[in-house]
Amino acid sequence: EPEVTQTPSHQVTQMGQEVILRCVPISNHLYFYWYRQILGQKVEFLVSFYNNEISEKSEIFDDQFSVERPDGSNFTLKIRSTKLEDSAMYFCASSANRGGWDIQYFGAGTRLSVL
Amino acid sequence: DAKTTQPNSMESNEEEPVHLPCNHSTISGTDYIHWYRQLPSQGPEYVIHGLTSNVNNRMASLAIAEDRKSSTLILHRATLRDAAVYYCILRDLNSGGSNYKLTFGKGTLLTVNP
Repeated sequence: EPEVTQTPSHQVTQMGQEVILRCVPISNHLYFYWYRQILGQKVEFLVSFYNNEISEKSEIFDDQFSVERPDGSNFTLKIRSTKLEDSAMYFCASSANRGGWDIQYFGAGTRLSVL
Repeated sequence: DAKTTQPNSMESNEEEPVHLPCNHSTISGTDYIHWYRQLPSQGPEYVIHGLTSNVNNRMASLAIAEDRKSSTLILHRATLRDAAVYYCILRDLNSGGSNYKLTFGKGTLLTVNP
């Protein structure tokens, strides 16, 4: 069964450093998403991406965050200058369609630890 | 997305059926009812979705009340692997705007006893 893959599974970084989280969505999917989950809290939407541009972003997704689809297979989330509060699980998801009926498929996540 | 209300936690025994309720009294006529679950240390996983009629798939069944103000996710025979947080999420039929994202609540933590 096709799956969304994320790398690395765990990333440790120093505060102020840049990190790039990588995702390979399901190959025929057109819509891509990033979510995050701080330990013990709800899963929160960060950004959605379609046709090489951001479709929607949340208040969390400020100027420190950016997303890119550098080639036909990868989808990346960059945090320019990490803060302690960026420590969380980051989940990538993809879907074939958009709208009320579509299914989003999630990766296993990247655990980001900012020291 | 319209709001849903779920119990914080439920407990079940292995191999018994589990009925996970969800109230969505402000549901609109174009809202799909989706269920996702999150196993420990995993990403969310799609379970099932429906609009008006009851739905069955290999994982579960979804029973939707006639007035659509509530729904129930049914796991016919719970296994230890079904221990997870289950999320009931409403998504509008119409694409665009805020329909791109899934809005997760706290969900129901299901414990399955051996």
